[in-house]
Amino acid sequence: QKEVEQDPGPLSVPEGAIVSLNCTYSNSAFQYFMWYRQYSRKGPELLMYTYSSGNKEDGRFTAQVDKSSKYISLFIRDSQPSDSATYLCAMSGWGYSSASKIIFGSGTRLSIRP
Amino acid sequence: GAVVSQHPSWVICKSGTSVKIECRSLDFQATTMFWYRQFPKQSLMLMATSNEGSKATYEQGVEKDKFLINHASLTLSTLTVTSAHPEDSSFYICSARDGGGNEQFFGPGTRLTVL
Repeated sequence: QKEVEQDPGPLSVPEGAIVSLNCTYSNSAFQYFMWYRQYSRKGPELLMYTYSSGNKEDGRFTAQVDKSSKYISLFIRDSQPSDSATYLCAMSGWGYSSASKIIFGSGTRLSIRP
Repeated sequence: GAVVSQHPSWVICKSGTSVKIECRSLDFQATTMFWYRQFPKQSLMLMATSNEGSKATYEQGVEKDKFLINHASLTLSTLTVTSAHPEDSSFYICSARDGGGNEQFFGPGTRLTVL
């Protein structure tokens, strides 16, 4: 079983729709949860990170973590064609210490139709 | 935000040759740098972690003699793929973290094609 599971998609939605992206994980030691966006042939860029359980909102993006269910989500409101990219969830065990490795999900390819 | 650059952005080489990829932190000192490999439609897989001035720590299954990592300064790490073969063709991405233990900043990646 992979430590982090993510539906690879592709996911195609019309412009303006609410997008829900999800990951599950098996390692209860994970404490920091991140979402990265990666455009084709580019390096990933950090969108949001959350610590432990709870919600975090940043503009059109909302990240949710449910540690009891080992389930994290990213919601995108009022989706735009420019949001079309691959979204990777990622997790680490001891926060942002230099000894902590980040484990990535496989990524979900998202396409927003104009 | 902090900027990490990689050079070259893409490279094509013949089988059996060696290729060096540079990763630089442009506006901060990176005590730790990470090297990832990403195959098409797959996620990033950590290859190794390097700390400035010390030997890199390789992940299980990654050959340290094939993927040579040098982190000689606080702003530069290099990955050399020795005796490259077609199966080494991939997207190589580095990231850098400063000494404060904050987020990893990713480079734009280097696409390696071995013919």
